[in-house]
Amino acid sequence: SQQGEEDPQALSIQEGENATMNCSYKTSINNLQWYRQNSGRGLVHLILIRSNEREKHSGRLRVTLDTSKKSSSLLITASRAADTASYFCATDLNQAGTALIFGKGTTLSVSS
Amino acid sequence: DAEITQSPRHKITETGRQVTLACHQTWNHNNMFWYRQDLGHGLRLIHYSYGVQDTNKGEVSDGYSVSRSNTEDLPLTLESAASSQTSVYFCASSSTGTSGGADTQYFGPGTRLTVL
Repeated sequence: SQQGEEDPQALSIQEGENATMNCSYKTSINNLQWYRQNSGRGLVHLILIRSNEREKHSGRLRVTLDTSKKSSSLLITASRAADTASYFCATDLNQAGTALIFGKGTTLSVSS
Repeated sequence: DAEITQSPRHKITETGRQVTLACHQTWNHNNMFWYRQDLGHGLRLIHYSYGVQDTNKGEVSDGYSVSRSNTEDLPLTLESAASSQTSVYFCASSSTGTSGGADTQYFGPGTRLTVL
């Protein structure tokens, strides 16, 4: 099955720096989503970008999508300690339905 | 406020026992999903449902079953628990996207299952 693969697996930065995470996937998609998971908690939706969109912003988050390269990136600007979490990209299981396939995630650690 | 809940939050059971994990949502979503999360594997889709009486197998469905008798609930049953099923289980729900593709999923807090 198709799956988003995040890169890097782990990222450590200082507060105030920007964090960039990348996601690659295998087959055509309707949309791509990014989720955050704080330790011991459920996933929380961050942003959804459709296949006909190239860039989307939400607060300090910027997501890009390049369907020709089958890749997406999530940029968190001016990182805070509270951004410490795991970040997952998710793509459609198939073109017909609404199930998602998640990648293995990027673990972000922001130190003060 | 609408929410999605899971019970129990923690469960310890023995190999061979039948276990049922509950998931209840008040979003009135048609779509419900079960995932398991293990270190090194991320989230893997177990089963999902697009509505009452509809169920579908995901990536790792062997040893699991679900049934959907109403909109609000999708219980996950482990027919005969195995140590390999020790994991954290997440339930999620979503509405049907209006322009094609998957819509935002709302996740429950998870159930930590240990099979001894």
